[in-house]
Amino acid sequence: SAVISQKPSRDICQRGTSLTIQCQVDSQVTMMFWYRQQPGQSLTLIATANQGSEATYESGFVIDKFPISRPNLTFSTLTVSNMSPEDSSIYLCSVGLGSDNSPLHFGNGTRLTVT
Amino acid sequence: SQQGEEDPQALSIQEGENATMNCSYKTSINNLQWYRQNSGRGLVHLILIRSNEREKHSGRLRVTLDTSKKSSSLLITASRAADTASYFCATDAKQAGTALIFGKGTTLSVSS
Repeated sequence: SAVISQKPSRDICQRGTSLTIQCQVDSQVTMMFWYRQQPGQSLTLIATANQGSEATYESGFVIDKFPISRPNLTFSTLTVSNMSPEDSSIYLCSVGLGSDNSPLHFGNGTRLTVT
Repeated sequence: SQQGEEDPQALSIQEGENATMNCSYKTSINNLQWYRQNSGRGLVHLILIRSNEREKHSGRLRVTLDTSKKSSSLLITASRAADTASYFCATDAKQAGTALIFGKGTTLSVSS
C-alpha cells in the first residue's frame, strides 16, 4: 500500500482566487489521478497526472482551469484557478500501485469551499 | 461521465442484518471494484472482481458479477454500526490504464 498525504485538508477561498493542492506519496508510483467529488455526489475524474509531460484531461476539464504538475514519481499538484462557488468540492488525489487495473489508493482529500 | 449506477441510493438497516447494494454499468470492463467512503474521508478499496469471475468473498463481504447483465452486487453480512458509510462501485472503462470511473454510490446507515 501507499501513504498519500494531501494538503491542505480543507480551505475556504474567495471567488476569483486560486488554490494549489499538493499530493505527496511515500513511494514512487506510475499512475496518479485527480478526482473531484461535488457535495453529495460521486467521484468524477479530472485528469491523469503524467510524470514529465502534460496531464491528460477528461471531457469537461481543461488545463487553464485545473493546471496540474507532476515533477516526479512521488508528487503532484492540482490548482483550481479563478474559483467560483461551483468549484466547492472535495478534491482527491489517488494512485495506482501495480499493473493495469489494480486498486486505487486515495488521499483523504481537500475540502474546498468557495465563497 | 459516470459508468456505474448503484441502487439503492440510500439504505438503512439494523445491526446484524445483511445489506445488499447493486451496481450496473454500461460498457465492457476488465474488472469491477467496490470502495467505501466514511464521511469526510478518502476512499478505501474493499474488493476487486475480474470480468472472468462470478463471485468473490472477503470476510463479511460477498461480491457477484454478471457480465451478461452488466451488473454487480455487494453483500455485507452481519452488519455493524462501523459499516455506516457510502459505498461506490468503480469500473475501468478504458482499454488500458488504471483510471476508474465511479458510480453514484449507496449510502448505508447501520443503527445499533
